[in-house]
Amino acid sequence: NAGVMQNPRHLVRRRGQEARLRCSPMKGHSHVYWYRQLPEEGLKFMVYLQKENIIDESGMPKERFSAEFPKEGPSILRIQQVVRGDSAAYFCASSPPVIGQTQYFGPGTRLLVL
Amino acid sequence: QKEVEQDPGPLSVPEGAIVSLNCTYSNSAFQYFMWYRQYSRKGPELLMYTYSSGNKEDGRFTAQVDKSSKYISLFIRDSQPSDSATYLCAMWTQGGSEKLVFGKGTKLTVNP
Repeated sequence: NAGVMQNPRHLVRRRGQEARLRCSPMKGHSHVYWYRQLPEEGLKFMVYLQKENIIDESGMPKERFSAEFPKEGPSILRIQQVVRGDSAAYFCASSPPVIGQTQYFGPGTRLLVL
Repeated sequence: QKEVEQDPGPLSVPEGAIVSLNCTYSNSAFQYFMWYRQYSRKGPELLMYTYSSGNKEDGRFTAQVDKSSKYISLFIRDSQPSDSATYLCAMWTQGGSEKLVFGKGTKLTVNP
């Protein structure tokens, strides 16, 4: 059973470009979470999605950031017009649709904005 | 006051030592508590997951939760160089959005 998969593992963008980060949850998991880890900081929650629904986006910046989890395919975290402050490691986690189950993390995507 | 406080260390111990890692929290609604291990430039790996107050043991690892004091601990016995990593505590509340709230992490180095 493959774990949570994320791609790309490393992404370099210039200021003003768009970044698309992909996450495929573990088999049988229908809940997806995105977290951001800035240097010397802990993991910060961004958004929680189920298939075709955003459940909680309270941690998402109000502008430039969006997330989706379509019926088919991976979850996508999209950052438009990236700025240097967006440079961070972005982690996706998934959990099964059972209350009380914890989250399993992917290897992360390291975004560098030049 | 931050919801979850964790001493960032760094913590350096000799091989074979007992390691104690701790977190305090302010939100009494937290019900589920986790410890993750994160190697450099890798994703967090779940180590321990507890719900109730008390101790839970898994091999060399023991997780302890004291809800009355809002304090959780992770003990590592007979520490090994391979235990060198950053340890993150995390917690969440049932009935909310299930988002995890993390401490900043404690960087541990076990010296051979």
